[in-house]
Amino acid sequence: EIVLTQSPATLSLSPGERATLSCRASQSVISYLAWYQRKPGQAPRLLIHDASKRATGIPARFSGSGSGTDFTLTISSLEPEDFAVYYCHQRGVWPYTFGQGTKLEIK
Amino acid sequence: QVQLVESGGGVVQPGRSLRLSCAASGFMFSSYGMHWVRQAPGKGLEWVTIISYDGSNENYADSVKGRFTISRDNSKNTVYLQMNSLRAEDTAVYFCAKDLGQGSSTYDMDVWGKGTTVTVSS
Repeated sequence: EIVLTQSPATLSLSPGERATLSCRASQSVISYLAWYQRKPGQAPRLLIHDASKRATGIPARFSGSGSGTDFTLTISSLEPEDFAVYYCHQRGVWPYTFGQGTKLEIK
Repeated sequence: QVQLVESGGGVVQPGRSLRLSCAASGFMFSSYGMHWVRQAPGKGLEWVTIISYDGSNENYADSVKGRFTISRDNSKNTVYLQMNSLRAEDTAVYFCAKDLGQGSSTYDMDVWGKGTTVTVSS
């Protein structure tokens, strides 16, 4: 089973700053990597699929990059509503798996 | 407006059964695969199962295989999760989610419900 390791576990930043979240796979998932945002009491939201494709309606400040085993989610300038938990998810190798999450909190 | 609304959660004793429902609206339900994903308290997301757009194919996580069954009724725009032989470790918020791909499933999930809580406890 592919293990997705997200780092850091917690990221403390201020609105307006740039956020860089990492997701490392234990073996190559090619580009079959997605990012989801999870807020308490809300439905999870797909942000990025296929490593770098923004989902419909997702603001341009969210971008994804990477391939193989190393992937990055970048939020160029944090808005107050961006503070949440972010999960990566791979569909490159069965069984498909989620990372353990990165909590993005307000500093 | 595209929407998914889960129902059917509750408190159930170990070994018993429960059926979750997810009502869809705002999109061509019969054209998309549908997933169930869960999140245990204090844990991350765990994919549970998928059913193809026409109900002809299903897939399950090993943790639920043989105990859970997914089904759908395209005439009612509803997907179901029948959960049998429930265990304490099945305690979680259960989300239904729409697959991103039309027809063939991609396993990317672009629309999610807010979830329904299942608690397995004696």
